[in-house]
Amino acid sequence: GENVEQHPSTLSVQEGDSAVIKCTYSDSASNYFPWYKQELGKRPQLIIDIRSNVGEKKDQRIAVTLNKTAKHFSLHITETQPEDSAVYFCAASIDGGATNKLIFGTGTLLAVQP
Amino acid sequence: DAMVIQNPRYQVTQFGKPVTLSCSQTLNHNVMYWYQQKSSQAPKLLFHYYDKDFNNEADTPDNFQSRRPNTSFCFLDIRSPGLGDAAMYLCATSRFQRYEQYFGPGTRLTVT
Repeated sequence: GENVEQHPSTLSVQEGDSAVIKCTYSDSASNYFPWYKQELGKRPQLIIDIRSNVGEKKDQRIAVTLNKTAKHFSLHITETQPEDSAVYFCAASIDGGATNKLIFGTGTLLAVQP
Repeated sequence: DAMVIQNPRYQVTQFGKPVTLSCSQTLNHNVMYWYQQKSSQAPKLLFHYYDKDFNNEADTPDNFQSRRPNTSFCFLDIRSPGLGDAAMYLCATSRFQRYEQYFGPGTRLTVT
């Protein structure tokens, strides 16, 4: 089955710096890659996603890149702000027909220091 | 606003005492999921429904059951909670043939 590895497990940056979180997946059939942000005690919230027919997607300060050949994808946050501090999860989806099953990475705790 | 609602937000139960967590949605999505999330870990899929079709993950313990009486509601039943079942339980929904999953706020379960 699909396995998703995520690095680093913790990341501390200064406010205004960039942050990069990387994930690798094992199943070449995966075709959907979302990123979720989860603040302490709150629900995971989708912040950006990318499908396998696209190499890069950007939304304001957040971007995701996908390398299908290498089977890895990355989240890039520019001009980080203290409110970006949270746990970030990557995920990969195997299209199982009627439903999609998300396989999550282990999470990255991002701390943005003011 | 369309949303995913979970009740209660916090639940305390005793070791071995059955407990039911509920999820409702106003998104009219076909698929509903239950995840277990332990501290500092990723959400782990327990099972999901596509309409009334139930799909259990191979490693979900028999202690966990689910019911979906209609499109809007889904329940998670834990028949005999153990200390290891203390976790955040997240409900999520998605539309058929769409990928995005929308999560509810979760129910934090404590087992004493």
